Amino acid sequence: AQKVTQAQTEISVVEKEDVTLDCVYETRDTTYYLFWYKQPPSGELVFLIRRNSFDEQNEISGRYSWNFQKSTSSFNFTITASQVVDSAVYFCALSDSNRDDKIIFGKGTRLHILP
Amino acid sequence: DGGITQSPKYLFRKEGQNVTLSCEQNLNHDAMYWYRQDPGQGLRLIYYSQIVNDFQKGDIAEGYSVSREKKESFPLTVTSAQKNPTAFYLCASSIIRTGPMEQYFGPGTRLTVT
Repeated sequence: AQKVTQAQTEISVVEKEDVTLDCVYETRDTTYYLFWYKQPPSGELVFLIRRNSFDEQNEISGRYSWNFQKSTSSFNFTITASQVVDSAVYFCALSDSNRDDKIIFGKGTRLHILP
Repeated sequence: DGGITQSPKYLFRKEGQNVTLSCEQNLNHDAMYWYRQDPGQGLRLIYYSQIVNDFQKGDIAEGYSVSREKKESFPLTVTSAQKNPTAFYLCASSIIRTGPMEQYFGPGTRLTVT
């Protein structure tokens, strides 16, 4: 069965601190894709990253970075030098061949950046 | 600008009434999706469509219906058979390639049924 677990329901950090959002996934497939989305208070989900299971290189995009560890089935997301505008709900998601390209979402982590 | 529009942003209905949520995209995407989001929950897939005049049930299709008569449009009807229709509804679209592609989302419609 496919499953995405975001154990951190809610996190609060002070602005400029670094913060890591955890994501653990379960799948029996060897080929799968992982995603992160941001949902600001407006409600619209914003795509952040897509990563396939064969690419284990870590990714950095500005203040955002992602750590993909197949050995622990994790795809963690770190925000460096957080800003108030980073306050949002962040979703990790998984898609594998058993789901006909459909995506299954975790329950999300609500991140509060305090000024 | 290209994007996905959903209307209205807020919708109120009485119990027992069917209601249709609009979703339009001008991204020329082949695939479109409807999700439901409840407080503190992730998104759950209701229906999806990869081609005009064809659609498939997602994980929670009961009480919902869709149509895909045009590539740009994928309206969702919440029927009176849906037991708990109050929720935030999100429409998304994506291109179709080898492997699942990222989906782009509309601003959502918040439906309240009393």
